[in-house]
Amino acid sequence: QQQVKQSPQSLIVQKGGISIINCAYENTAFDYFPWYQQFPGKGPALLIAIRPDVSEKKEGRFTISFNKSAKQFSLHIMDSQPGDSATYFCAARGNTGKLIFGQGTTLQVKP
Amino acid sequence: DAEITQSPRHKITETGRQVTLACHQTWNHNNMFWYRQDLGHGLRLIHYSYGVQDTNKGEVSDGYSVSRSNTEDLPLTLESAASSQTSVYFCASSVQGASDTQYFGPGTRLTVL
Repeated sequence: QQQVKQSPQSLIVQKGGISIINCAYENTAFDYFPWYQQFPGKGPALLIAIRPDVSEKKEGRFTISFNKSAKQFSLHIMDSQPGDSATYFCAARGNTGKLIFGQGTTLQVKP
Repeated sequence: DAEITQSPRHKITETGRQVTLACHQTWNHNNMFWYRQDLGHGLRLIHYSYGVQDTNKGEVSDGYSVSRSNTEDLPLTLESAASSQTSVYFCASSVQGASDTQYFGPGTRLTVL
């Protein structure tokens, strides 16, 4: 119940395309859902986050869509750029206050 | 500028040796965390601390220990290194609860031979 399942494991998108990464969870007590971006050789950094009282949050080209009834949330990257090539992690905060991370998605945006 | 640093960045050790990975942050954050990152497993929490003298076990704490004697540092010790502990280790800190933004260090790549 504490797991967050992330898919796909890897993703290749053409420049200008839309990248979509999906996450699913079981624990209905999760109340905060951040996405982290990690470049090679660096630590993860917060990209965007959402709370379950809203269905969508947009920051620039990055959008989180949240479906509370389905217990799923996704990251959409519009107009994907080669500079977006990185590993993306979804996460969820549990009732113990700790973040539970998904398995990660490696995104490659081809020029 | 405030930051979070980890040392060493790379470490090669032998099975059975004790290893300590350092984490130092200058944000004066109360909360600090240690994760390991392995392909296919994402980031898994090893230990965490919500303040000086406070330490707690995460989901993969066996074989690891931490101590928090001041706000700035949370060293991670591998008591007797095992090959299964070959991984990339990340330290993170945050202001309040884990829901607040966690700021990650650059990581330490540890190889246990």
